[in-house]
Amino acid sequence: NAGVTQTPKFRVLKTGQSMTLLCAQDMNHEYMYWYRQDPGMGLRLIHYSVGEGTTAKGEVPDGYNVSRLKKQNFLLGLESAAPSQTSVYFCASSVGRGSEQFFGPGTRLTVL
Amino acid sequence: AQRVTQPEKLLSVFKGAPVELKCNYSYSGSPELFWYVQYSRQRLQLLLRHISRESIKGFTADLNKGETSFHLKKPFAQEEDSAMYYCALYGGSQGNLIFGKGTKLSVKP
Repeated sequence: NAGVTQTPKFRVLKTGQSMTLLCAQDMNHEYMYWYRQDPGMGLRLIHYSVGEGTTAKGEVPDGYNVSRLKKQNFLLGLESAAPSQTSVYFCASSVGRGSEQFFGPGTRLTVL
Repeated sequence: AQRVTQPEKLLSVFKGAPVELKCNYSYSGSPELFWYVQYSRQRLQLLLRHISRESIKGFTADLNKGETSFHLKKPFAQEEDSAMYYCALYGGSQGNLIFGKGTKLSVKP
């Protein structure tokens, strides 16, 4: 089992460009999450999903959109990237609420 | 408001010394608390949760509801314990994990 995988691992964008980060899990988990990790800020929840076809806002959703068309995939989109979105993005999945979350390796995004 | 506070950004100890990573929380209900660890160049992973009352890699954490704390302890630190440690509270308005800002533990030889 690969667990949780993220694509790409690194990306550099110019301000205003768009991109999509892909998260995939092979554990048949219902819940999936997108976090951003910034120095001195810890992990902050961007969006999450409690099942296929559902999405919900987390703590810092502005500037991001998500989709969960398939149970195993959770996409994070940036429509118009800003330098403030420079961060490391982590995807995670869990069986359910309050269960252990399994994390992906992260995507390092730089917006110039 | 639900909140997790880790007061130390960096904690540096020598190998063999005891270590205590502090975590305080604010939550109105019965909290479910976790410690996650991120070793260098590795992904974040669960270290332990208060419900299981386990000792993982020599680490323990006791929930103290009176002091609203969930400190992580190890009697004898090892160099391989050097990592970023995050305390997390399951709660919040959406019932999701709320992470502290993390403490970087550095164990010197």
